[in-house]
Amino acid sequence: ETGVTQSPTHLIKTRGQQVTLRCSSQSGHNTVSWYQQALGQGPQFIFQYYREEENGRGNFPPRFSGLQFPNYSSELNVNALELDDSALYLCASSRAINTEAFFGQGTRLTVV
Amino acid sequence: DQQVKQNSPSLSVQEGRISILNCDYTNSMFDYFLWYKKYPAEGPTFLISISSIKDKNEDGRFTVFLNKSAKHLSLHIVPSQPGDSAVYFCAASVGAGGTSYGKLTFGQGTILTVHP
Repeated sequence: ETGVTQSPTHLIKTRGQQVTLRCSSQSGHNTVSWYQQALGQGPQFIFQYYREEENGRGNFPPRFSGLQFPNYSSELNVNALELDDSALYLCASSRAINTEAFFGQGTRLTVV
Repeated sequence: DQQVKQNSPSLSVQEGRISILNCDYTNSMFDYFLWYKKYPAEGPTFLISISSIKDKNEDGRFTVFLNKSAKHLSLHIVPSQPGDSAVYFCAASVGAGGTSYGKLTFGQGTILTVHP
């Protein structure tokens, strides 16, 4: 199974700005998780949404927020961007909370 | 605090030989372990997983071994093929049968290069 799509693929923002990243889950998937992958590191869990409610959060500040819509697509919003926010942001969707997650190709965010 | 560690940043093997990728973890609450493969410009792709109640799981050329007492797992690829060249991540979760499957803790990754 594949079909998780993320937009945009690349993005450049200035420090202090706000950014919204989008994820379209695979059909039939009601759970979405977001990860941040810094250069040379593994992905780090940001948060998970299940049926439009946040279902767990990693060690990220409140300026990282998310939404999941009735069609199960999702957004990741980051306010007051910092240089260290430069990373690959990955979205993963799954059919349910306790099933395998499938990743999108990611959005490469560069903060200058 | 790196709870999942892959201490080898890279591994180079000859086609046809065995590739062994290693992963160590510190959190004894982890009870489900996964391996993902990642090509450039693509998202991670699930390879194989193992529950903490097992010590071995096989899927074709891929075998994952889990040593709970040592908090160590390894991925064996036999025989290795040039198309296996990618970054390999191990990941772990707590309560895989419950609500934590998508909340994965990843290692830093190991770059595998298989030479023809």
